[in-house]
Amino acid sequence: QSALTQPPSASGSPGQSVTISCTGTSSDVGGYNFVSWYRQHPGKAPKLLIYEVTKRPSGVPDRFSGSKSGNTASLTISGLQAEDEADYYCSSFAGSNNVFGPGTKVTVL
Amino acid sequence: QVQLQQWGAGLLKPSETLSLTCAVYGGSFGGYYWTWIRQSPGKGLEWIGEIHHTGSTNYNPSLKSRVTISLDTSKNQFSLNLNSVTAADTAVYYCARRVVVAAIGYWGQGTQVTVSS
Repeated sequence: QSALTQPPSASGSPGQSVTISCTGTSSDVGGYNFVSWYRQHPGKAPKLLIYEVTKRPSGVPDRFSGSKSGNTASLTISGLQAEDEADYYCSSFAGSNNVFGPGTKVTVL
Repeated sequence: QVQLQQWGAGLLKPSETLSLTCAVYGGSFGGYYWTWIRQSPGKGLEWIGEIHHTGSTNYNPSLKSRVTISLDTSKNQFSLNLNSVTAADTAVYYCARRVVVAAIGYWGQGTQVTVSS
């Protein structure tokens, strides 16, 4: 059982947008601006897409964007591409710990 | 480009100690937090803990009593020890480097660790 809540699945056609939510509490997501998002393909390590709620590491396309309202953070993938079919995980600082969501499987139709 | 290469025993019996080591190539070892994370089908991704190059550590409260993370700055390596393992510790273990708080920018290749009698 994960500390954060994500929908198990999401889908969209190529070129469309998909938004994934990540709900926590005031002790993690709502309490700090340290939310990150990862994409993971089967058999591979996760890749960092977003950190500090809205920032993108160098090399991550701007079609990935993050936001937060209260205890819920969101990741939006615009212009969905075939390579975006993967599992997506959110993570948050939680004081003495770092917590993850259970992951959302994104399917490109 | 920073690369992390990890190794260690992949099959353990209950009550044994899990030991993994991670070597850092292609970047500075100092000034960063070095992290261990595990991933299992049942529990998903789980942060185990981290160590700063100065030796300061932070551990997941749920694992703190069994975990030790250490480093060898002369070899640019850091290690994970988890004692008294059970089947619940079966997972893929990753070594990693965080880029900022709660954001992991670099990952090792992962090591499957199975605990079985």
